[in-house]
Amino acid sequence: EADIYQTPRYLVIGTGKKITLECSQTMGHDKMYWYQQDPGMELHLIHYSYGVNSTEKGDLSSESTVSRIRTEHFPLTLESARPSHTSQYLCASSGSKQVSGNIQYFGAGTRLSVL
Amino acid sequence: AQRVTQPEKLLSVFKGAPVELKCNYSYSGSPELFWYVQYSRQRLQLLLRHISRESIKGFTADLNKGETSFHLKKPFAQEEDSAMYYCALLNAGGTSYGKLTFGQGTILTVHP
Repeated sequence: EADIYQTPRYLVIGTGKKITLECSQTMGHDKMYWYQQDPGMELHLIHYSYGVNSTEKGDLSSESTVSRIRTEHFPLTLESARPSHTSQYLCASSGSKQVSGNIQYFGAGTRLSVL
Repeated sequence: AQRVTQPEKLLSVFKGAPVELKCNYSYSGSPELFWYVQYSRQRLQLLLRHISRESIKGFTADLNKGETSFHLKKPFAQEEDSAMYYCALLNAGGTSYGKLTFGQGTILTVHP
């Protein structure tokens, strides 16, 4: 079934640890996005990619990094987690205008807590 | 720069009452707008988009270019409409094509 998957759903980790949030989609989409969202607050785009080996920083500055080696996979990495990174991270994907009308489809999110 | 403003952070209505969630935008080109909804413990999902001109779950939204607004309306609110609603504007220019700018979101609560 076509979907967008994020793992883990919840992560509690200590300060200074390196973490990778996984995002994979089987939608056949070329564009992928990472958003940061505090509970009940607005979404901030932190990274996006228009295809393999294409990554750009979003509107909100983030210490995280991303990679896009495969079309379906768009992991986000924090080299050294800090309490200020505590948030929910949402992954999304979209296809061409002709295919899906610029609609972004979202994963269930990863809720990260850094102690 | 494009911007989306949702002036109401919280909105409470009673079941059966009309509801309107406000959204204003600033964009120099021809806008393409969306409403996304996030129900409790569910993922963010598309509710409707203006180019479809359709009604979803009884909700409609009309693009008013003169007022630069895209308000979401429903004549008779239901308890299951309680959720977080986000208005979003598509960036249709150049290298940023496909990005969405989201508003701050409105939490709608429908009381029985």
